[in-house]
Amino acid sequence: AQRVTQPEKLLSVFKGAPVELKCNYSYSGSPELFWYVQYSRQRLQLLLRHISRESIKGFTADLNKGETSFHLKKPFAQEEDSAMYYCALPVYSGAGSYQLTFGKGTKLSVIP
Amino acid sequence: SAVISQKPSRDICQRGTSLTIQCQVDSQVTMMFWYRQQPGQSLTLIATANQGSEATYESGFVIDKFPISRPNLTFSTLTVSNMSPEDSSIYLCSVSRGGGNEQFFGPGTRLTVL
Repeated sequence: AQRVTQPEKLLSVFKGAPVELKCNYSYSGSPELFWYVQYSRQRLQLLLRHISRESIKGFTADLNKGETSFHLKKPFAQEEDSAMYYCALPVYSGAGSYQLTFGKGTKLSVIP
Repeated sequence: SAVISQKPSRDICQRGTSLTIQCQVDSQVTMMFWYRQQPGQSLTLIATANQGSEATYESGFVIDKFPISRPNLTFSTLTVSNMSPEDSSIYLCSVSRGGGNEQFFGPGTRLTVL
C-alpha cells in the first residue's frame, strides 16, 4: 500500500537559514508527488509538483527514487514561509480518478 | 484552478443532530472529494463523489454516517449524521478536473460537536 511519511511534526528555523522539509514515500508504481501548503487561515493549496520541476516561492523539490524521497528545500527561509506543509502522493483509483495520500504534515516556523 | 466555496464555514452542533455541508465549484468538474482533518492530524479521505452515481467510501467511513449527494457537476453535499464529539473536525471538499491528479481544495468547514 502507498504511504507518505513526514518525520518532522514541527520545524523551526531562523530567517535566512536554509530549510529542508523531509518527505519519504512508499509506492509500487512510478510516483508523482506534490507539496501542498496551508498558510494561517487560508485554504490548502498546491505549492509544487515534481513533474513540473519548477521553483515556487524559492522552494524546490527533487524526486529521488533511490531514496524514495521528495524533500522540499529553500536556501533562505522567510517569515512568510511559516505554514503547514503536506507532502502528497496521487494514486490512480480507477475510472479516471486519482486519490491523494497525504503525509501527516510539517509545521514550519520561521523565527525572525 | 477552480474556485470552491463551502457552507457553512463553521458550526457548533449538539450531540445527536446532523449537519449538511455544501460544496460549490465555479465550473464543471469531474471528481469531487470529501476529507476530514481532525485536530492536529493530516487529511483523511472520506469518500469520492461522482456525478450521477453512488459515492465511493474509504475504509472506516459508511454511507449511513456520511451520506453524500452529487446532483450535478458543480455541487456536492456531505452530511454528518447523528453527531458525537468525536466528529469535531474540519471537513474539506476538493475537486479534480478531466482525469488530472491535482486537487483543488475548498476553505473547509470547522465543525464542533458538544
